[in-house]
Amino acid sequence: SQQGEEDPQALSIQEGENATMNCSYKTSINNLQWYRQNSGRGLVHLILIRSNEREKHSGRLRVTLDTSKKSSSLLITASRAADTASYFCATVFSGNTPLVFGKGTRLSVIA
Amino acid sequence: GAVVSQHPSWVICKSGTSVKIECRSLDFQATTMFWYRQFPKQSLMLMATSNEGSKATYEQGVEKDKFLINHASLTLSTLTVTSAHPEDSSFYICSASLDSRTLHFGNGTRLTVT
Repeated sequence: SQQGEEDPQALSIQEGENATMNCSYKTSINNLQWYRQNSGRGLVHLILIRSNEREKHSGRLRVTLDTSKKSSSLLITASRAADTASYFCATVFSGNTPLVFGKGTRLSVIA
Repeated sequence: GAVVSQHPSWVICKSGTSVKIECRSLDFQATTMFWYRQFPKQSLMLMATSNEGSKATYEQGVEKDKFLINHASLTLSTLTVTSAHPEDSSFYICSASLDSRTLHFGNGTRLTVT
C-alpha cells in the first residue's frame, strides 16, 4: 500500500499566491522527500527533511514535518506559472529501501 | 551531476512483441536502480529493484517473467517488457540513488502497445 497521501489532489491558484500541499503517512520514517514532476517527464528531487527535523527551507520552498501527526507540508511562496506540475511526497523507512510515493498534488498556477 | 538517462523516451509496439528500455547513470555508479510504472494522473508504483550483478527484486504482483530486468554494469539497467499487451501501455520511469537517500530519475519512457 502507498505510504504517503497528498492533499489536495489538485490545486489551482493565481500567480503570486502561495501554494500549500500536505502529505500524510502511516508508519515511522527515516526521512521524507518532496519531488516535482512536469507532465510526461521524470521526477526532480526538491527537498529532503529528516525525521528529527521540523522545518526546512530551500528558495521559495518551505517544508515542515510533524512526526507526531505523521504529516508534512510543502509551501511554495510567490508561485509562478512555471511551478505548474505534480508534486509528490515520498518516504523512506531506512537505508536503501526504495521510496514509496504518494498520489501527488497537481498544481496549476495561472498567469 | 547525478544524471540519469533513459531511452527511448517513447515507443510504440505491436501486441506480442518485446520492448527494451535502458536506464543509464551518466556520471555516477549505481549499484541499485529502481523501476517504476505510472498510469495517467496516478502515483509511481515501484515495480522492481535492480541490483548490479544479481537478480532483481520484484514487488508483489509484478510478473518477473514479463518484466525482465538486467543490471549488468554499474551504469546500466535494462527493463524488457516481453510479449507486450495493450494493458502494458504506461509510463515507465527508472531511478538511481547517488547517496542512498535521494533518487535521480530518468525522463521516463512512454510505452504504447497497439
